[in-house]
Amino acid sequence: VYLVESGGGLVQPGGSLRLSCAASRFTFSSYAMSWVRQAPGKGLEWVSRISGSGDSTYYADSVQGRFTISRDNSKNTLYLQMNNLRADDTAVYYCTKDQASHDSWGQGTLVTVSS
Amino acid sequence: EIVLTQSPATLSLSPGDRATLSCRASQTVNNYLAWYQQKPGQAPRLLIYDASNRAIGIPARFSGSGSGTDFTLTISSLEPEDFAVYYCQQRNWPPAYTFGQGTKLEIK
Repeated sequence: VYLVESGGGLVQPGGSLRLSCAASRFTFSSYAMSWVRQAPGKGLEWVSRISGSGDSTYYADSVQGRFTISRDNSKNTLYLQMNNLRADDTAVYYCTKDQASHDSWGQGTLVTVSS
Repeated sequence: EIVLTQSPATLSLSPGDRATLSCRASQTVNNYLAWYQQKPGQAPRLLIYDASNRAIGIPARFSGSGSGTDFTLTISSLEPEDFAVYYCQQRNWPPAYTFGQGTKLEIK
């Protein structure tokens, strides 16, 4: 399993960013996928999950209405559209493959929200 | 929302010792409890899923137990590479996959 996140960077409060996660070496469309984040020096926080088909999506209360998870199974890619970003969204964002739990993780991409 | 409380916050032990880490849920999680290990600068790694099942490639010294609201991760004999932060996580339905706050396992 190979997961590579990209799209992180510095953004101003209120701004937007789209993260991508390129997946390989497994049948991408067969698995649900999630985004999990970790603020600097803090613990893990589950952000969002999407079913294998993309028909079902779920969000943590902290991002509901601001973030949108999606996937393109033809491109083996997972996305996280983040709008109206706040300082407390600053974190490393990991994509994960979900079987029984988050069984595989990418290396993460850093999102910094600051003026 | 289900809250997971891990104890202790920090555990100081020596290589060869037995480690026992606890995770308590505010309500039953129906055994949908996982344990992860995270080392500095690395992504977390799945150790145990569904309370007691070892993930692929995880050494037999790691074991999980418990049910309902009380769960334990046991490392039978600590190796130097086991010193890290450990998180529990529940995946109750609807899927709000909350994590515990973590236990830091440090060398004594």
